[in-house]
Amino acid sequence: AQSVTQLGSHVSVSEGALVLLRCNYSSSVPPYLFWYVQYPNQGLQLLLKYTTGATLVKGINGFEAEFKKSETSFHLTKPSAHMSDAAEYFCAVSDTGSSNTDKLIFGQGTTLQVKP
Amino acid sequence: NAGVTQTPKFQVLKTGQSMTLQCAQDMNHNSMYWYRQDPGMGLRLIYYSASEGTTDKGEVPNGYNVSRLNKREFSLRLESAAPSQTSVYFCASSRAQAPPNQPQHFGDGTRLSIL
Repeated sequence: AQSVTQLGSHVSVSEGALVLLRCNYSSSVPPYLFWYVQYPNQGLQLLLKYTTGATLVKGINGFEAEFKKSETSFHLTKPSAHMSDAAEYFCAVSDTGSSNTDKLIFGQGTTLQVKP
Repeated sequence: NAGVTQTPKFQVLKTGQSMTLQCAQDMNHNSMYWYRQDPGMGLRLIYYSASEGTTDKGEVPNGYNVSRLNKREFSLRLESAAPSQTSVYFCASSRAQAPPNQPQHFGDGTRLSIL
């Protein structure tokens, strides 16, 4: 069965610093992986997704993630944090046991704090 | 561009009361989902509907019922609300075409408090 682990429930960075949010997955088949962002009092918004092909995936707002099969990781990065990046971030993997839906298995979430 | 619309946005109930959370999507998506979000627990799937006319239990279905009214609408009902059901509820939808790599699109949530 698939699972997702996000390392660190809270991450704090200074404005302009590198953002690194960690995600490790467990999957018996090639995974489909997603990162979502949730701003306060809003729903989740897709940042980026990995399906197949290029292992470096670019998303919105300057974020990117690298799929590393050998490490079963899909870490999210941004070179320079902005105050507007403060939000909660969720990593998710497709539940491939349900072939007729896009069921997702979510990590616990990481809250990103950006300090001025 | 409405996307996924949830009503109401906020609700306060007393223990034992019932209510229905409404969700509608205008993207012609096949699958729809209901989640609850609690601090430190991420999103947990309550029920989902793979396609019109079908519904299935998710991870935490107890105390809830759902109805897929048509392709656009998917409602969540609490028959007898309990304080443990205080949460933020999200509805989502997705295209659901093989392979399962389509993203889910989320509504803005319903914040439900049960006293």
